[in-house]
Amino acid sequence: DAMVIQNPRYQVTQFGKPVTLSCSQTLNHNVMYWYQQKSSQAPKLLFHYYDKDFNNEADTPDNFQSRRPNTSFCFLDIRSPGLGDAAMYLCATSRPGRNTEAFFGQGTRLTVV
Amino acid sequence: ILNVEQSPQSLHVQEGDSTNFTCSFPSSNFYALHWYRWETAKSPEALFVMTLNGDEKKKGRISATLNTKEGYSYLYIKGSQPEDSATYLCAFNESFQKLVFGTGTRLLVSP
Repeated sequence: DAMVIQNPRYQVTQFGKPVTLSCSQTLNHNVMYWYQQKSSQAPKLLFHYYDKDFNNEADTPDNFQSRRPNTSFCFLDIRSPGLGDAAMYLCATSRPGRNTEAFFGQGTRLTVV
Repeated sequence: ILNVEQSPQSLHVQEGDSTNFTCSFPSSNFYALHWYRWETAKSPEALFVMTLNGDEKKKGRISATLNTKEGYSYLYIKGSQPEDSATYLCAFNESFQKLVFGTGTRLLVSP
């Protein structure tokens, strides 16, 4: 049973048209992450939540926003997608602690046309 | 900017070969080091989380070692099988909240 679910798996959006990607978890984990992965590159951390505390990476563009209305759900909003935002977006969750692994969704592949 | 390097970028071996990959990470502010396996069209799955210098962990034919003083970890696969074909990612925990990934090693095992 999938524990971290991302919807949709594939998303096509128009240049400049706002798009929202969603992530839900059944693990009740405190921490939720959003990563962006472009072809052959490392997954890049965009931001993460520890409970309701939002932590933005310094180099995450302002175009990317996130919401976490409750423990289970987290959303990635791209306000004005550009062609350079086409990528795989991965959501992950974890508990705080040193020996804890992250659990990932299957990702959303975003195409910008 | 944290730099996590993995080598090689890709590897093609024959079934039965043993192989290993390297992950290099900053040797300061170490919290933990993770290894994940990411098969095509699936979610990345954790293999190991390592926290202590000198740690060695094993899961079946896969094992990993950790050297926090010099900032590297090795992942070994003994007797590779076609089902081992995947991208292997390492990730460095700078703090319990922040997980920074390397670019991965793409392994292809041919029958």
